[in-house]
Amino acid sequence: LAKTTQPISMDSYEGQEVNITCSHNNIATNDYITWYQQFPSQGPRFIIQGYKTKVTNEVASLFIPADRKSSTLSLPRVSLSDTAVYYCLVVVNQAGTALIFGKGTTLSVSS
Amino acid sequence: GAVVSQHPSRVICKSGTSVKIECRSLDFQATTMFWYRQFPKQSLMLMATSNEGSKATYEQGVEKDKFLINHASLTLSTLTVTSAHPEDSSFYICSAREGAGGAGQPQHFGDGTRLSIL
Repeated sequence: LAKTTQPISMDSYEGQEVNITCSHNNIATNDYITWYQQFPSQGPRFIIQGYKTKVTNEVASLFIPADRKSSTLSLPRVSLSDTAVYYCLVVVNQAGTALIFGKGTTLSVSS
Repeated sequence: GAVVSQHPSRVICKSGTSVKIECRSLDFQATTMFWYRQFPKQSLMLMATSNEGSKATYEQGVEKDKFLINHASLTLSTLTVTSAHPEDSSFYICSAREGAGGAGQPQHFGDGTRLSIL
C-alpha cells in the first residue's frame, strides 16, 4: 500500500485559496487518490477522489500530475468552518479494502 | 447521498462493563464494513474489517476476543468491547462503502462513538 506524506499543519486566512499537497511515490497503477475532512469528535467526511488530471466538485478541486506521484487538494476561498484535519489517502481498487489513514494536515483558518 | 449511522454517540460506563456499538448503512447495502479507533490528537487506526456472514478480519495487535464484531446483515455491523477498561477509552468509528466495494465508490463514515471507561 502506497504511503502518503503531507504537511502536518497549515495556516490560512478567510477568503484565501488553500492548496495541500500530498506525495504518494509508490502509488500503484490501479490506485485512486481520495481526500477526507475530519472535524473534532466526528467521523471523516469524503471531499473528493480522482485517478489522474483534474477533478472538481462543489467544494474542492484535486490536481494529479501525469506521474501520479503527488496530488494537490485545492480549497477555494476558505472560511473559518474549513478549520479541520485533511487526510490524503491512496485507495486500493479492490473490493473489501480498507482506507489506511496517515497523520493528515491540520488546517487552521483565521479571520 | 450514502449515510452511515452509528449508535450510541457517547457511552460512559464502569470498568468491566461490555459495550456494544452499532453501525448501520441507511440507504445502501454493505458487504464489508470497517472499524477504526482514534485516540486524541492521533489519526484513525484500522481495527478490523467486518464481513457480512463471516468472521471479521482483525489487524495485528487487536484482540479479537476483546473486540467482538458481528456483521449479521448487509446493513448492520456491531462492535462489542468486552470487559472494558480505562485503556479502551477512545473514539470508535465505523465505515462502509456502497456498491461492489471497489475504489469507484467512496467510503462513508459514521459520526463515531466516544467511549469513556471509568
